[in-house]
Amino acid sequence: DAGVTQSPTHLIKTRGQQVTLRCSPKSGHDTVSWYQQALGQGPQFIFQYYEEEERQRGNFPDRFSGHQFPNYSSELNVNALLLGDSALYLCASMRGARETQYFGPGTRLLVL
Amino acid sequence: AQSVTQPDIHITVSEGASLELRCNYSYGATPYLFWYVQSPGQGLQLLLKYFSGDTLVQGIKGFEAEFKRSQSSFNLRKPSVHWSDAAEYFCAVGGTGGGNKLTFGTGTQLKVEL
Repeated sequence: DAGVTQSPTHLIKTRGQQVTLRCSPKSGHDTVSWYQQALGQGPQFIFQYYEEEERQRGNFPDRFSGHQFPNYSSELNVNALLLGDSALYLCASMRGARETQYFGPGTRLLVL
Repeated sequence: AQSVTQPDIHITVSEGASLELRCNYSYGATPYLFWYVQSPGQGLQLLLKYFSGDTLVQGIKGFEAEFKRSQSSFNLRKPSVHWSDAAEYFCAVGGTGGGNKLTFGTGTQLKVEL
Protein backbone atom coordinates (compact mmCIF):
# COMPACT_ATOMS: atom_id res chain seq x y z
CA ASP A 1 0.00 0.00 0.00
CA ALA A 2 1.69 3.18 -1.19
CA GLY A 3 1.73 6.06 1.20
CA VAL A 4 1.48 9.71 0.30
CA THR A 5 3.73 10.59 -2.62
CA GLN A 6 4.92 14.00 -3.75
CA SER A 7 6.76 15.29 -6.80
CA PRO A 8 9.23 16.66 -7.48
CA THR A 9 11.50 16.05 -4.49
CA HIS A 10 13.53 19.21 -5.07
CA LEU A 11 12.99 22.33 -7.12
CA ILE A 12 14.95 25.53 -7.76
CA LYS A 13 13.16 28.62 -9.09
CA THR A 14 13.91 32.31 -9.39
CA ARG A 15 11.94 35.20 -7.96
CA GLY A 16 8.78 36.01 -9.91
CA GLN A 17 8.41 32.55 -11.41
CA GLN A 18 5.53 30.19 -10.86
CA VAL A 19 5.70 26.64 -9.48
CA THR A 20 3.40 23.61 -9.34
CA LEU A 21 3.84 20.86 -6.78
CA ARG A 22 1.98 17.55 -6.93
CA CYS A 23 0.63 15.11 -4.36
CA SER A 24 -0.97 11.69 -4.54
CA PRO A 25 -2.83 10.69 -1.38
CA LYS A 26 -2.63 7.40 0.45
CA SER A 27 -4.98 4.78 -0.96
CA GLY A 28 -8.51 5.22 0.38
CA HIS A 29 -7.96 8.83 1.42
CA ASP A 30 -10.10 11.60 -0.04
CA THR A 31 -8.87 14.72 1.77
CA VAL A 32 -5.60 16.47 1.05
CA SER A 33 -3.94 19.24 3.04
CA TRP A 34 -0.85 21.28 2.22
CA TYR A 35 1.63 22.66 4.71
CA GLN A 36 4.67 24.92 4.41
CA GLN A 37 7.66 24.24 6.65
CA ALA A 38 10.29 26.96 6.71
CA LEU A 39 13.75 26.06 7.95
CA GLY A 40 13.78 25.56 11.71
CA GLN A 41 10.01 25.93 12.03
CA GLY A 42 7.00 23.70 12.43
CA PRO A 43 4.71 23.12 9.44
CA GLN A 44 2.08 25.79 8.77
CA PHE A 45 -1.30 24.96 7.27
CA ILE A 46 -1.89 26.38 3.78
CA PHE A 47 -5.21 24.84 2.73
CA GLN A 48 -7.25 21.66 2.59
CA TYR A 49 -9.16 20.07 -0.31
CA TYR A 50 -12.12 17.71 -0.14
CA GLU A 51 -14.42 16.70 -3.00
CA GLU A 52 -12.41 18.96 -5.32
CA GLU A 53 -13.26 22.04 -3.26
CA GLU A 54 -11.07 24.14 -0.98
CA ARG A 55 -12.59 23.44 2.43
CA GLN A 56 -10.29 25.50 4.65
CA ARG A 57 -7.49 27.97 4.20
CA GLY A 58 -4.72 29.22 6.45
CA ASN A 59 -3.09 32.65 6.49
CA PHE A 60 -1.47 32.52 3.09
CA PRO A 61 -1.86 35.05 0.27
CA ASP A 62 -3.81 34.40 -2.92
CA ARG A 63 -0.53 33.67 -4.68
CA PHE A 64 -0.98 30.21 -3.19
CA SER A 65 -3.69 28.23 -4.93
CA GLY A 66 -4.56 24.61 -5.31
CA HIS A 67 -6.63 22.04 -7.05
CA GLN A 68 -7.93 18.57 -6.34
CA PHE A 69 -8.67 16.11 -9.11
CA PRO A 70 -11.40 13.43 -9.27
CA ASN A 71 -8.85 10.79 -8.29
CA TYR A 72 -8.15 12.84 -5.11
CA SER A 73 -4.65 13.85 -6.16
CA SER A 74 -3.81 17.49 -5.65
CA GLU A 75 -1.63 20.33 -6.90
CA LEU A 76 -0.26 23.34 -5.09
CA ASN A 77 0.51 26.37 -7.26
CA VAL A 78 2.52 29.35 -6.14
CA ASN A 79 2.70 32.45 -8.36
CA ALA A 80 5.13 35.36 -8.30
CA LEU A 81 7.62 33.50 -6.13
CA LEU A 82 9.40 35.37 -3.34
CA LEU A 83 12.64 34.46 -1.60
CA GLY A 84 10.55 33.79 1.51
CA ASP A 85 8.66 31.02 -0.25
CA SER A 86 11.75 28.81 0.06
CA ALA A 87 10.63 25.94 2.27
CA LEU A 88 9.70 22.27 2.48
CA TYR A 89 6.15 21.81 1.20
CA LEU A 90 4.36 18.89 2.78
CA CYS A 91 1.22 17.19 1.60
CA ALA A 92 -0.93 15.21 4.01
CA SER A 93 -3.92 13.01 3.31
CA MET A 94 -6.71 11.54 5.40
CA ARG A 95 -10.06 9.86 5.01
CA GLY A 96 -12.89 12.26 5.79
CA ALA A 97 -12.56 14.97 8.41
CA ARG A 98 -12.06 13.00 11.61
CA GLU A 99 -9.09 10.84 10.87
CA THR A 100 -5.33 11.01 11.22
CA GLN A 101 -3.32 12.91 8.63
CA TYR A 102 -0.43 11.04 6.99
CA PHE A 103 2.37 13.06 5.47
CA GLY A 104 4.39 12.66 2.33
CA PRO A 105 8.17 13.19 2.12
CA GLY A 106 7.78 16.76 0.93
CA THR A 107 9.05 18.92 -1.91
CA ARG A 108 11.94 21.20 -1.07
CA LEU A 109 11.62 24.50 -2.95
CA LEU A 110 14.48 26.94 -3.20
CA VAL A 111 13.79 30.40 -4.62
CA LEU A 112 16.84 32.37 -5.77
CA ALA B 1 -7.39 30.32 17.87
CA GLN B 2 -5.48 27.10 18.32
CA SER B 3 -1.80 27.06 19.27
CA VAL B 4 0.93 24.71 20.47
CA THR B 5 3.95 25.50 22.61
CA GLN B 6 6.98 23.26 22.82
CA PRO B 7 9.15 24.98 25.44
CA ASP B 8 12.33 23.01 24.75
CA ILE B 9 14.06 23.80 21.47
CA HIS B 10 16.92 21.36 22.03
CA ILE B 11 17.25 18.39 24.38
CA THR B 12 20.27 16.12 24.81
CA VAL B 13 19.99 12.76 26.58
CA SER B 14 22.30 9.79 26.96
CA GLU B 15 21.39 6.54 25.26
CA GLY B 16 19.37 4.40 27.67
CA ALA B 17 18.14 7.38 29.67
CA SER B 18 14.48 8.31 29.93
CA LEU B 19 12.97 11.11 27.88
CA GLU B 20 10.12 13.57 28.29
CA LEU B 21 9.27 16.19 25.67
CA ARG B 22 6.82 18.87 26.73
CA CYS B 23 3.83 20.13 24.79
CA ASN B 24 1.17 22.63 25.83
CA TYR B 25 -1.78 23.45 23.63
CA SER B 26 -4.61 25.94 23.34
CA TYR B 27 -7.83 24.85 21.67
CA GLY B 28 -11.42 26.00 22.08
CA ALA B 29 -13.06 22.59 21.86
CA THR B 30 -12.12 18.97 22.46
CA PRO B 31 -8.68 18.66 20.91
CA TYR B 32 -7.16 15.97 18.79
CA LEU B 33 -3.48 15.75 19.73
CA PHE B 34 -0.59 14.28 17.82
CA TRP B 35 3.12 13.72 18.03
CA TYR B 36 5.10 13.46 14.81
CA VAL B 37 8.81 12.79 14.29
CA GLN B 38 10.93 14.17 11.46
CA SER B 39 14.38 12.95 10.48
CA PRO B 40 16.64 15.35 8.54
CA GLY B 41 15.30 16.10 5.08
CA GLN B 42 12.31 13.82 5.57
CA GLY B 43 8.56 14.16 5.95
CA LEU B 44 6.65 13.65 9.18
CA GLN B 45 5.99 10.24 10.68
CA LEU B 46 3.12 9.82 13.13
CA LEU B 47 4.23 8.53 16.53
CA LEU B 48 0.90 8.56 18.35
CA LYS B 49 -2.42 10.34 18.60
CA TYR B 50 -5.13 11.15 21.13
CA PHE B 51 -8.75 11.56 20.06
CA SER B 52 -10.69 10.50 23.16
CA GLY B 53 -10.84 7.84 25.87
CA ASP B 54 -7.82 6.66 27.83
CA THR B 55 -5.59 9.64 28.49
CA LEU B 56 -2.40 7.56 28.29
CA VAL B 57 -1.75 6.59 24.69
CA GLN B 58 0.83 4.22 23.32
CA GLY B 59 2.60 4.79 20.06
CA ILE B 60 5.24 3.30 17.84
CA LYS B 61 8.90 2.84 18.75
CA GLY B 62 8.10 2.57 22.47
CA PHE B 63 6.77 6.12 22.86
CA GLU B 64 3.78 7.09 24.98
CA ALA B 65 2.03 10.35 25.79
CA GLU B 66 -0.38 11.49 28.47
CA PHE B 67 -3.22 13.93 27.88
CA LYS B 68 -3.84 16.19 30.88
CA ARG B 69 -6.81 18.43 30.21
CA SER B 70 -6.38 20.44 33.42
CA GLN B 71 -2.84 21.39 32.39
CA SER B 72 -3.53 21.62 28.63
CA SER B 73 -0.57 19.33 28.12
CA PHE B 74 0.31 16.31 26.02
CA ASN B 75 3.85 15.33 26.96
CA LEU B 76 5.74 12.62 25.10
CA ARG B 77 7.75 10.05 27.03
CA LYS B 78 10.05 7.12 26.42
CA PRO B 79 11.60 5.05 29.22
CA SER B 80 14.87 4.25 27.43
CA VAL B 81 16.13 6.27 24.46
CA HIS B 82 18.00 4.68 21.56
CA TRP B 83 20.55 6.46 19.38
CA SER B 84 18.16 6.10 16.44
CA ASP B 85 15.62 8.31 18.23
CA ALA B 86 17.69 11.41 17.44
CA ALA B 87 15.38 13.56 15.31
CA GLU B 88 13.03 16.53 15.55
CA TYR B 89 9.73 16.01 17.34
CA PHE B 90 6.59 18.01 16.67
CA CYS B 91 3.45 18.23 18.74
CA ALA B 92 0.27 19.19 16.89
CA VAL B 93 -3.33 19.99 17.74
CA GLY B 94 -6.40 19.71 15.55
CA GLY B 95 -10.05 18.82 15.83
CA THR B 96 -13.41 18.94 14.20
CA GLY B 97 -13.86 22.47 15.51
CA GLY B 98 -11.10 23.51 13.14
CA GLY B 99 -11.89 21.13 10.32
CA ASN B 100 -9.02 18.99 11.52
CA LYS B 101 -6.38 21.38 10.22
CA LEU B 102 -3.25 20.83 12.28
CA THR B 103 -1.41 23.52 14.19
CA PHE B 104 2.15 22.54 15.03
CA GLY B 105 4.62 23.62 17.64
CA THR B 106 8.08 24.81 16.66
CA GLY B 107 9.57 21.42 17.43
CA THR B 108 12.11 19.93 19.83
CA GLN B 109 15.43 18.75 18.44
CA LEU B 110 16.56 15.60 20.26
CA LYS B 111 20.22 14.68 20.40
CA VAL B 112 21.28 11.30 21.82
CA GLU B 113 24.73 10.90 23.28
CA LEU B 114 26.29 7.46 23.05
